[in-house]
Amino acid sequence: GAVVSQHPSWVICKSGTSVKIECRSLDFQATTMFWYRQFPKQSLMLMATSNEGSKATYEQGVEKDKFLINHASLTLSTLTVTSAHPEDSSFYICSARDRGGGSYEQYFGPGTRLTVT
Amino acid sequence: AQRVTQPEKLLSVFKGAPVELKCNYSYSGSPELFWYVQYSRQRLQLLLRHISRESIKGFTADLNKGETSFHLKKPFAQEEDSAMYYCAPHRGTNAGKSTFGDGTTLTVKP
Repeated sequence: GAVVSQHPSWVICKSGTSVKIECRSLDFQATTMFWYRQFPKQSLMLMATSNEGSKATYEQGVEKDKFLINHASLTLSTLTVTSAHPEDSSFYICSARDRGGGSYEQYFGPGTRLTVT
Repeated sequence: AQRVTQPEKLLSVFKGAPVELKCNYSYSGSPELFWYVQYSRQRLQLLLRHISRESIKGFTADLNKGETSFHLKKPFAQEEDSAMYYCAPHRGTNAGKSTFGDGTTLTVKP
């Protein structure tokens, strides 16, 4: 089956620094990747939709200058949390949609736990 | 606006009992509907999709266009079914995104 990886799986950083999270589709090409944020025992909150070769589409209320998304290839999207603050601490999940698939099913990464101290 | 509602945040049943997780959606057109599951300490994964009309791990879901519902059902719940379940309609366009419901945490007690 289609596999999506995320790196790192967890990261601790100091307030004011930037953190980059990678999302890779390992065995398929993904024209579209999604970035979510998940709070404990809560649903996924879509942050942005990332299409290869174009600018990401951010959801309302998500600061695009704070959460930089780059989708440089059909197998890699990155999320950079700039000038991180403790309130950015969360679980970040990416998903990818198979370019060649006939369905709109999403394949999810394992998530990245970000802790900002 | 596209909306999906999972009215039960928590659902608890005993092993062997039937279980139904409710999902109602408000979408224009004919969305493609999915149920995703997240077991403890695991990633989200697809459970089933309505277009394939399949049964996975004993779960089925029927799309009721009249009621705009896509409830997930299983006749005999098992302890290993304890997980978080998300209903996710998708508007059928390539550029579209899936909107996730708030999720239902299912606990199957022994």
